[in-house]
Amino acid sequence: EAQVTQNPRYLITVTGKKLTVTCSQNMNHEYMSWYRQDPGLGLRQIYYSMNVEVTDKGDVPEGYKVSRKEKRNFPLILESPSPNQTSLYFCASSLFTGSYEQYFGPGTRLTVT
Amino acid sequence: GEDVEQSLFLSVREGDSSVINCTYTDSSSTYLYWYKQEPGAGLQLLTYIFSNMDMKQDQRLTVLLNKKDKHLSLRIADTQTGDSAIYFCAESRYSGAGSYQLTFGKGTKLSVIP
Repeated sequence: EAQVTQNPRYLITVTGKKLTVTCSQNMNHEYMSWYRQDPGLGLRQIYYSMNVEVTDKGDVPEGYKVSRKEKRNFPLILESPSPNQTSLYFCASSLFTGSYEQYFGPGTRLTVT
Repeated sequence: GEDVEQSLFLSVREGDSSVINCTYTDSSSTYLYWYKQEPGAGLQLLTYIFSNMDMKQDQRLTVLLNKKDKHLSLRIADTQTGDSAIYFCAESRYSGAGSYQLTFGKGTKLSVIP
């Protein structure tokens, strides 16, 4: 089944404790992206990747890192999480940049205390 | 400006038509999309329209695009309780270096009253 998976689905952590949210897609997509969703703000893009080893900042990259060592995986790294990073995070992928459909993962709800 | 604007809430009775509106500011947008997010789930693409089209119909869904006014709408005919969700309007525009960026509106929460 074609899908985007994220882990964990739910995470509660403390300020400053490094964490990684994994994202994997099985569709051989070139383009992958991370978004955060906050009430009243909609979805905002954090980082995106057009292919292996090619990443770039989205609209709200501060406090986040990403890597794209393999085509299928695009982990989101929070080196020192802060409470303002409490949010719902979505990973998405598409066949290539500009492709009309992005496939979204189920979301990761992160709480930083 | 690069904003995508949509109203936050819409309430309709089951069986009526729903119309969700969206305005965007970037005239260079290539594709415009409607995504649906059900409670506790990710976003699913509902439909899309290319910027040189003015209408697209897909079963109960009709998308209208007024490029002059930069206005996009989604009409759902015969709205059902299963249509209750948040609907996001999004635009795809070229952001340079072979890259396209998807910009989302804040989402319209559609509530269907039985």
